Amino acid sequence: GAVVSQHPSWVICKSGTSVKIECRSLDFQATTMFWYRQFPKQSLMLMATSNEGSKATYEQGVEKDKFLINHASLTLSTLTVTSAHPEDSSFYICSAQGDREIEKLFFGSGTQLSVL
Amino acid sequence: GQQLNQSPQSMFIQEGEDVSMNCTSSSIFNTWLWYKQDPGEGPVLLIALYKAGELTSNGRLTAQFGITRKDSFLNISASIPSDVGIYFCAGHKNSGYALNFGKGTSLLVTP
Repeated sequence: GAVVSQHPSWVICKSGTSVKIECRSLDFQATTMFWYRQFPKQSLMLMATSNEGSKATYEQGVEKDKFLINHASLTLSTLTVTSAHPEDSSFYICSAQGDREIEKLFFGSGTQLSVL
Repeated sequence: GQQLNQSPQSMFIQEGEDVSMNCTSSSIFNTWLWYKQDPGEGPVLLIALYKAGELTSNGRLTAQFGITRKDSFLNISASIPSDVGIYFCAGHKNSGYALNFGKGTSLLVTP
C-alpha cells in the first residue's frame, strides 16, 4: 500500500503556543488529504478536507482559524493548531487519497498532542 | 460525516477462536473498507470492497460487502495475540469523498 508519513509522532506544548503537524505522501501524489481527530477509545472524526492548491473544507463545528490547513503541494499537507489549549489535546491523524484507487485512504501514523 | 453502526463494541476471546464483527448503515455505500488500528498508530487498511455481494479474503481475514449495500462484515479465523487492536469499518457514499467511520470494535485475544 501507499505510504503516508506524519510528523511529529507526539508533541507536548505550553498553552497558547502553536503546533504544526506535517503529512506527506511518500510514493504517490495525494490530490486530497483529510485530517481527523480521535479521542481515547473513540472513532475518527473528520475535521477537514484539503485539496492541493485550494482552501480546505472544514466540518461543522471545527474552527478554521484555530486549525489552519495548508496543502501547498501534491505530497504535503500541514495542520497548524494555533494558540493551543488543553482541550485541543488529542490524537490527530492525516490521510491521503491518490489519483488511483481513490476509494482507498491511507493513513499517517498519527500525532499525539498534549497541551499543558 | 455519518457514523456507521458497528458491533460488537468489544470482544474478549481466546487464541484460536474465530471472530466476527459487522457494520450497518441507513444509507447505501459504494465502497466498504476495514481498518485495524494499534494503540498510538494510524489505521491500516485490511480489506477494501467495491461491489455488492463481494467476498474478499486477506490471509485469515474475510470481509463481505452486503447485498443491500448497507452493511458489511469482517471475519477473523483462528485468532492470534497479534490480532489485538481496534477494528474500524468505513464506507464511501461517493468516490472521492471522506470516509464515514464506525465506532470501532476493540478486540482482545488471550493466549
